[in-house]
Amino acid sequence: GNSVTQMEGPVTLSEEAFLTINCTYTATGYPSLFWYVQYPGEGLQLLLKATKADDKGSNKGFEATYRKETTSFHLEKGSVQVSDSAVYFCAPSYSSASKIIFGSGTRLSIRP
Amino acid sequence: DTGVSQDPRHKITKRGQNVTFRCDPISEHNRLYWYRQTLGQGPEFLTYFQNEAQLEKSRLLSDRFSAERPKGSFSTLEIQRTEQGDSAMYLCASSAEEGYEQYFGPGTRLTVT
Repeated sequence: GNSVTQMEGPVTLSEEAFLTINCTYTATGYPSLFWYVQYPGEGLQLLLKATKADDKGSNKGFEATYRKETTSFHLEKGSVQVSDSAVYFCAPSYSSASKIIFGSGTRLSIRP
Repeated sequence: DTGVSQDPRHKITKRGQNVTFRCDPISEHNRLYWYRQTLGQGPEFLTYFQNEAQLEKSRLLSDRFSAERPKGSFSTLEIQRTEQGDSAMYLCASSAEEGYEQYFGPGTRLTVT
């Protein structure tokens, strides 16, 4: 079946460091791709999305590009802040079913 | 719009008891989803509705679980004869159309003692 693999955490960085969280997905059809974020004590929030190949999703300084050739959707941010500390989920949605398949999550901690 | 709401936020029950959770989606959304999230894992799909029709159920949804959306608005998820393995966060989400992003509620945390 369809699946997603993302970088295992926890990831600990210093403030203003560059962030990459890797994500690859099963290449079945043309899924929509999402990154969701879960801040401490809060619910899941959509961070960004891309719906077709070469699309770049961006929000709050985060970016991810839909790479069909490598079946990847890596999350990047040029300069992280303490407030970015959260768990990040890579999540494809395969149109045949419309459910979202979540990765195991990557816990990110940013040191001041 | 106030977003997706879930009730209760927390539920503690003894093994063998039945529990019921409620989800109110964003009002104009016709699709509603239930997921389960255990500690340290990503959410796992349980079932979804388009309007009042339940279109898909995961194999995770055993016979003890039942979900309804009788009028195509709010939904309920019932777990009968709860087991300790049912302890988890139960998440509800809604969306406007297939392939569009899903908006999640705060979840109901179930603890079975």
